[in-house]
Amino acid sequence: GQQLNQSPQSMFIQEGEDVSMNCTSSSIFNTWLWYKQEPGEGPVLLIALYKAGELTSNGRLTAQFGITRKDSFLNISASIPSDVGIYFCAGQISGTSYGKLTFGQGTILTVHP
Amino acid sequence: KAGVTQTPRYLIKTRGQQVTLSCSPISGHRSVSWYQQTPGQGLQFLFEYFSETQRNKGNFPGRFSGRQFSNSRSEMNVSTLELGDSALYLCASSLGSGADEKLFFGSGTQLSVL
Repeated sequence: GQQLNQSPQSMFIQEGEDVSMNCTSSSIFNTWLWYKQEPGEGPVLLIALYKAGELTSNGRLTAQFGITRKDSFLNISASIPSDVGIYFCAGQISGTSYGKLTFGQGTILTVHP
Repeated sequence: KAGVTQTPRYLIKTRGQQVTLSCSPISGHRSVSWYQQTPGQGLQFLFEYFSETQRNKGNFPGRFSGRQFSNSRSEMNVSTLELGDSALYLCASSLGSGADEKLFFGSGTQLSVL
């Protein structure tokens, strides 16, 4: 079945540093989504990408939809302590995969003040 | 606008019992999807409902079932609980068009099976 490989698995950074994480797939997706999950909560949608090559920003977050449609990356600039959490990429095939997202394994981000 | 609401937040059951979880989607959203999250398997898709019909299903045994009501609220049922069913169960809602969808998740129900 489809699998998403997300890297790195974890990151320990200092406040103010930039962060980069990415996802690769063996299959093509029509939509890429990036979520953040904090302990005891559900994933919160950060950015949605719909077109190959698309680059989208949301505040200090920037994400890109790879031109092959098999990868995506997320950058966080000037990290702050509240960025701590688990970041997930998710891909979806539009049209028939109703409600079905394929998730990466997650990147655990720790930010030291 | 209220988000996705899941009840209860926590449940403790014993093996062999059954459990029902509830999800109220964002107002105007007609699609509800269910996911199971465990440390070992991550987030796994269970099924999706739209207009009271199941449109998509993941690879879970028949003990896992769901339904959707005319107001788009959804319930998920797990019968004959096993220890391995302990997980965070998440529901997500979306408009349901099937294209360029954004799925919004609730806070989940943490199920512990003893």
